[in-house]
Amino acid sequence: KNEVEQSPQNLTAQEGEFITINCSYSVGISALHWLQQHPGGGIVSLFMLSSGKKKHGRLIATINIQEKHSSLHITASHPRDSAVYICAVRGHLEYGNKLVFGAGTILRVKS
Amino acid sequence: NAGVTQTPKFRVLKTGQSMTLLCAQDMNHEYMYWYRQDPGMGLRLIHYSVGEGTTAKGEVPDGYNVSRLKKQNFLLGLESAAPSQTSVYFCASSYSVVWSSYEQYFGPGTRLTVT
Repeated sequence: KNEVEQSPQNLTAQEGEFITINCSYSVGISALHWLQQHPGGGIVSLFMLSSGKKKHGRLIATINIQEKHSSLHITASHPRDSAVYICAVRGHLEYGNKLVFGAGTILRVKS
Repeated sequence: NAGVTQTPKFRVLKTGQSMTLLCAQDMNHEYMYWYRQDPGMGLRLIHYSVGEGTTAKGEVPDGYNVSRLKKQNFLLGLESAAPSQTSVYFCASSYSVVWSSYEQYFGPGTRLTVT
């Protein structure tokens, strides 16, 4: 079993829909990251959070440390949001600054 | 400020050939990482470095070697390429000490095919 599980693996949405991508993890963590990978391959960091909620534009990330679960929400989705969204966790102590990645969620937003 | 750059972007090798992937960062980051990305799997850490002159093994180090002779550069070497090393390779870098600044910055990737 992977330490970081994402769901769904694939998601197709109509433009304007509210989208939720989920991430569950099995280890104690010090931080969780959401990353975006566009079809061209480049990876950019969207959020880094260790508690609560963060918002940037139409993107919202939440985390529940007790339940070991995080969600990434996209409001008013647009075709340019089509990408792979990756969840990654940073563990405590011996894991140092190393991240453990989920397999990613492939999102396609149709116009 | 170029961020993290990787060369080459694409490469095709024959089994048994060797090559070196170069990663460079201009953000004065202490930590640098090499990952591989394969279909259906998350990014996996090959090797990493916590500073100039130091390297350490990650999750999947076999078949690869690395060097960090200069703080801004992190090299990934394949001494004898195998088809199982066909993958997309990403380099990343980050600050080390202040966890709140820990964001990893990724390079654009190198697509390697071993035939």
